Amino acid sequence: NAGVTQTPKFQVLKTGQSMTLQCAQDMNHNSMYWYRQDPGMGLRLIYYSASEGTTDKGEVPNGYNVSRLNKREFSLRLESAAPSQTSVYFCASTGDYLSTDTQYFGPGTRLTVL
Amino acid sequence: AQKITQTQPGMFVQEKEAVTLDCTYDTSDQSYGLFWYKQPSSGEMIFLIYQGSYDEQNATEGRYSLNFQKARKSANLVISASQLGDSAMYFCAMRQEGTNAGKSTFGDGTTLTVKP
Repeated sequence: NAGVTQTPKFQVLKTGQSMTLQCAQDMNHNSMYWYRQDPGMGLRLIYYSASEGTTDKGEVPNGYNVSRLNKREFSLRLESAAPSQTSVYFCASTGDYLSTDTQYFGPGTRLTVL
Repeated sequence: AQKITQTQPGMFVQEKEAVTLDCTYDTSDQSYGLFWYKQPSSGEMIFLIYQGSYDEQNATEGRYSLNFQKARKSANLVISASQLGDSAMYFCAMRQEGTNAGKSTFGDGTTLTVKP
């Protein structure tokens, strides 16, 4: 039982390049989330998926797209990376968006955009 | 809009003493959940404790307790008998239900340093 896994752990991009961050959970959770954490700050919600087949914008969605591929996987895509997207990205999951279940976090992806 | 405020950017505590980390929140929702997470220097987010808005008793998990004062909209974390391994960043967060189901709002965190 690996919980929430994220790949890659580290990535360096040049401005304008694209990439996809992968997230998978093996806890049979319905809801999944993508956050970013800038230095010295808390997490801000980028996008979330309350259940398979649905996605919604969070607080800071601009410059990102997401895909809920199936119940296990939720990917985050940067189409044209910008230095302002340099951050640590966390994926999280929880059993049910209607409850106040605990969110379980992945280990994070540290992204640098030059 | 939901907001979490953690007014202590940094805190120091002597080993074996207790420490309180402050958290206030702002919401118009009646139903919500309050969480505390620990983020050590390695970067992972570790769940510590949860309090539901309708829970009448304060939550406790081992050395962690949550001092929940609903009327004041505060949810302070109390760590008893601090250990060196408690040195980390601590985040208070709130999850919403209803039409904003699933969304979480985080505070900016408090860095706790435990002194030997």
